[in-house]
Amino acid sequence: EIVMTQSPATLSVSPGERATLSCRASQSVSSNLAWYQQKPGQAPRLLIYGASTRATGIPARFSGSGSGTEFTLTISSLQSEDFAVYYCQQYNNWPPRFTFGPGTKVDIK
Amino acid sequence: EVQLVESGGGLVQPGGSLRLSCAASGFTFSSYEMNWVRQAPGKGLEWVSYISSSGSTIYYADSVKGRFTISRDNAKNSLYLQMNSLRAEDTAVYYCARMPVVTAYFDYWGQGTLVTVSS
Repeated sequence: EIVMTQSPATLSVSPGERATLSCRASQSVSSNLAWYQQKPGQAPRLLIYGASTRATGIPARFSGSGSGTEFTLTISSLQSEDFAVYYCQQYNNWPPRFTFGPGTKVDIK
Repeated sequence: EVQLVESGGGLVQPGGSLRLSCAASGFTFSSYEMNWVRQAPGKGLEWVSYISSSGSTIYYADSVKGRFTISRDNAKNSLYLQMNSLRAEDTAVYYCARMPVVTAYFDYWGQGTLVTVSS
């Protein structure tokens, strides 16, 4: 099983500042990496797929990069609605053994 | 607008059974692969099961294999998860999630339904 790790566990950021979240895979997942945002009491929302492609309707302040085992989600200028938990997910296996990272909570500094 | 609405969650005793449903609308359900993903209280996300668009191909996470059964009814635009021999560790919010064609991330999620396994 591919193990996903995320750092930091919690990131405290002021509104308007840049946030950089990291995700690491225990083995290469190529570019088969997605990022999701989850707010309390809500379902996850797809932000990024293919490591760097924004999903429909996602603002340009969200960007993804990386390939292989190291990935980054960057939020260029945090808005109040961006404070949430962010998960990465690899989808490189078939038959599926999709795995998620433990999440990074972005909270208000 | 794509909508996925889960139902069927509730409180069940250990060893019991429950059937979850997911009603889909706003897209051609029969063209999409579907999944169940769960989230234990205060925890992260765990993929549970996959079903192909026709229902002919099915996969499960090791943690539920032999106890859970995924199925779909394309005529009713519905996805199901039959859960048997439930354990305390199955307590979670269960989400149905759509998978875009020819890839394997989850582009739309339902709001989830809570399953609590407790005596």
